[in-house]
Amino acid sequence: EVQLVESGGVVVQPGGSLRLSCAASGFTFDDYSIHWVRQAPGKGLEWVSLFSWDGTSTLYADSVKGRFTISRDNSKSSLYLQMNSLTTEDSAFYYCAKVALPYGDLLYFDSWGQGTLVTVSS
Amino acid sequence: IVLTQSPGTLSLSPGDRATLSCRASQSVAGSYLAWYQQKPGQAPRLLIYGASSRATGIPDRFSGSGSGTDFTLTISRLEPEDFAVYYCQQYSGSPGFGQGTKVEIK
Repeated sequence: EVQLVESGGVVVQPGGSLRLSCAASGFTFDDYSIHWVRQAPGKGLEWVSLFSWDGTSTLYADSVKGRFTISRDNSKSSLYLQMNSLTTEDSAFYYCAKVALPYGDLLYFDSWGQGTLVTVSS
Repeated sequence: IVLTQSPGTLSLSPGDRATLSCRASQSVAGSYLAWYQQKPGQAPRLLIYGASSRATGIPDRFSGSGSGTDFTLTISRLEPEDFAVYYCQQYSGSPGFGQGTKVEIK
């Protein structure tokens, strides 16, 4: 069974930094692209970032480019999101999501974690 | 590509037919469009991919259609568990979601 478990969400002050983690199991992690998607409470889904399945590329939404950095550790089947210069607009549930097919990056998502809540507030 | 979903809210009764629209600001290459269902406190669940293919385990009352810039999700007869928020997503380029349509009980 595929499992994605996010962690690291806390309350942080504006301008602060935070690192989220996503621990994966139940599939061959190395073969799949994993993305971060966020959702402000009561709002819609916003795609944030992807790390390619082959480890050669990353992609970011304009809203986080230059502030967030995605990384992955295949030896730990884990994905990370380093978030810097946080603003109140970054407050949201952050989900990691696995694409449905191996060896592809721009795809739809067949598995999601339960999300971790980041609150940016003074 | 910007996705615009309509209506924002759909008020229907169990047994009704629901028709949800997703319009793209430019053509979605390859009909690379998916639909998700999200219930309160839960992660989204994949319903449809490739505009019209049902995901594993999705009942056949859910169907998707469309191409180019206009896509539709149809729920033929609403069951009580179908009242939720629905999102479309394009994956022909940098991924993006529509703003969602809430299907609520009338």
